[in-house]
Amino acid sequence: NAGVTQTPKFRILKIGQSMTLQCAQDMNHNYMYWYRQDPGMGLKLIYYSVGAGITDKGEVPNGYNVSRSTTEDFPLRLELAAPSQTSVYFCASSYSIGQNKAFFGQGTRLTVV
Amino acid sequence: DAKTTQPPSMDCAEGRAANLPCNHSTISGNEYVYWYRQIHSQGPQYIIHGLKNNETNEMASLIITEDRKSSTLILPHATLRDTAVYYCIVRNTGNQFYFGTGTSLTVIP
Repeated sequence: NAGVTQTPKFRILKIGQSMTLQCAQDMNHNYMYWYRQDPGMGLKLIYYSVGAGITDKGEVPNGYNVSRSTTEDFPLRLELAAPSQTSVYFCASSYSIGQNKAFFGQGTRLTVV
Repeated sequence: DAKTTQPPSMDCAEGRAANLPCNHSTISGNEYVYWYRQIHSQGPQYIIHGLKNNETNEMASLIITEDRKSSTLILPHATLRDTAVYYCIVRNTGNQFYFGTGTSLTVIP
């Protein structure tokens, strides 16, 4: 059981470049989340999705876009990378009903230079 | 959304119980308290959660005060592998998990 899979694990971008961080889950969870974690800080919610075709902003959505065309995948898009987006990005998923818990991927470490 | 307050760091002797406090004074009646931990820079790992009653599982115990304004995570016999950052989170009714800055627990040999 793979759980939540993030790719790539590491990436270096130049200022102004764009990229997509991939996230896939195989647990049939309807909720998915993207977080970023700056050094020494807690996780900040960027975007989340309650199901295919539905996305919403979290605490820090500026500079990012998401889409959710399938239950399994929730890619995060950076259009014009900036040094302030240097961070570790975590994807997570959960069920929406009951006392559900969120499962996290192992993260993507992104550096913008 | 309920905010949580945790001490930034704590030490615990190996083999002793680690008691990690959390304040969540603005919690609503139907919001759950979750605890996660993060070892190094890995993805956060679920530990335990609760609503009103105390909870126990194979990893830890969760004690929630009667007024639900605070809780304590108890690791009964801390090991070196329990050294991590522990996050107390209140899951809101929209099913979002908002993290604070957590408590960095160091287990000392």
